[in-house]
Amino acid sequence: RKEVEQDPGPFNVPEGATVAFNCTYSNSASQSFFWYRQDCRKEPKLLMSVYSSGNEDGRFTAQLNRASQYISLLIRDSKLSDSATYLCVVNDWGSARQLTFGSGTQLTVLP
Amino acid sequence: DAGVIQSPRHEVTEMGQEVTLRCKPISGHDYLFWYRQTMMRGLELLIYFNNNVPIDDSGMPEDRFSAKMPNASFSTLKIQPSEPRDSAVYFCASSSRDRSYEQYFGPGTRLTVT
Repeated sequence: RKEVEQDPGPFNVPEGATVAFNCTYSNSASQSFFWYRQDCRKEPKLLMSVYSSGNEDGRFTAQLNRASQYISLLIRDSKLSDSATYLCVVNDWGSARQLTFGSGTQLTVLP
Repeated sequence: DAGVIQSPRHEVTEMGQEVTLRCKPISGHDYLFWYRQTMMRGLELLIYFNNNVPIDDSGMPEDRFSAKMPNASFSTLKIQPSEPRDSAVYFCASSSRDRSYEQYFGPGTRLTVT
């Protein structure tokens, strides 16, 4: 089983739609959670950290369910510029500061 | 503030040649990471440093790969000799305790070995 599993997609949605991505992680000791976005042929960029209470940044809402080891990202009123690959990322503390990346979910927002 | 800087942005080389990739982390960050990304394998962590000291190199594919961090503002990833299967995008990233270990990536080096 992969350490971080994501909906593979691709998701093709019309502009203005709401879209949700899901992610599960296998290590119950994981401490930090992030969503990154990666545009084609570019580097991954931090979209938002995910906090235990859930958090919102404009049109983006992230949720964490530690009991189910589940993370979600909701994008409301999607824009053409939201088209990218979204990476679910988990950090296990302790002696390491490594990030474990999911394989990504590809989103295309259509005009 | 400048982000993570990598050079070169593109490298095309012949099999057997030595390749050196360079990275300058964000000033003040004490962790530096080298990743490799391919379509088949996704994003893989190769090695990371803390305060210039290599902490975990278990992701380094084989002895042909080596990485150094002689000071807080510079790191290199070397492949010698290079092989076609090393073709990938190599990213450098840095992070800091002060920013909850969020990692910031450089633009990457696209390596093609022919």
